[in-house]
Amino acid sequence: DGGITQSPKYLFRKEGQNVTLSCEQNLNHDAMYWYRQDPGQGLRLIYYSQIVNDFQKGDIAEGYSVSREKKESFPLTVTSAQKNPTAFYLCASSIWQGARETQYFGPGTRLLVL
Amino acid sequence: AQSVTQLGSHVSVSEGALVLLRCNYSSSVPPYLFWYVQYPNQGLQLLLKYTTGATLVKGINGFEAEFKKSETSFHLTKPSAHMSDAAEYFCAVSDQDSSASKIIFGSGTRLSIRP
Repeated sequence: DGGITQSPKYLFRKEGQNVTLSCEQNLNHDAMYWYRQDPGQGLRLIYYSQIVNDFQKGDIAEGYSVSREKKESFPLTVTSAQKNPTAFYLCASSIWQGARETQYFGPGTRLLVL
Repeated sequence: AQSVTQLGSHVSVSEGALVLLRCNYSSSVPPYLFWYVQYPNQGLQLLLKYTTGATLVKGINGFEAEFKKSETSFHLTKPSAHMSDAAEYFCAVSDQDSSASKIIFGSGTRLSIRP
């Protein structure tokens, strides 16, 4: 089955610790995205990557880092500089159909601070 | 730049009643519009999308949405609500900025179904 997988489902972070959230897709999509979801705020874009070895900051990139060494993988690191990391993190990938793209989402990772 | 406004952060309807979730957008170019559904602790699932052509779009689970350019709206409807429809629903519009392709999401509407 083709799809997007995120792991782990739940992740705990201690103060001052960096943690990495995994996102893998086998849909052969070029573009991948990371969103943060907080209650009542919808989705906010953290980082996105249109192609391997390239990525761009989204609206709330501070305290986060990403890499895109492989087309299938787009891991997100939540660094100690992110002072309020507790949230639900969603990864997405997208495909262009004609002149437009459609995004497909993973199941999400809930990050909690101990 | 595009933007999306979802009217009502929480909508509650009785089982069997009409579901209407409102979405208005602003866009300087012809929009590409989406509705996504999110069940608790899960990712977003594409419900339906409008590209071009027919303005009434049918999606999964009996939902449909109508693109009304004159009203800049893309409201989501379902004739008869089921308990399983309880979820959060997001309207989105594509960003046509040539330097960065992004999809802009609304803040979401939580749908509750009363027995």
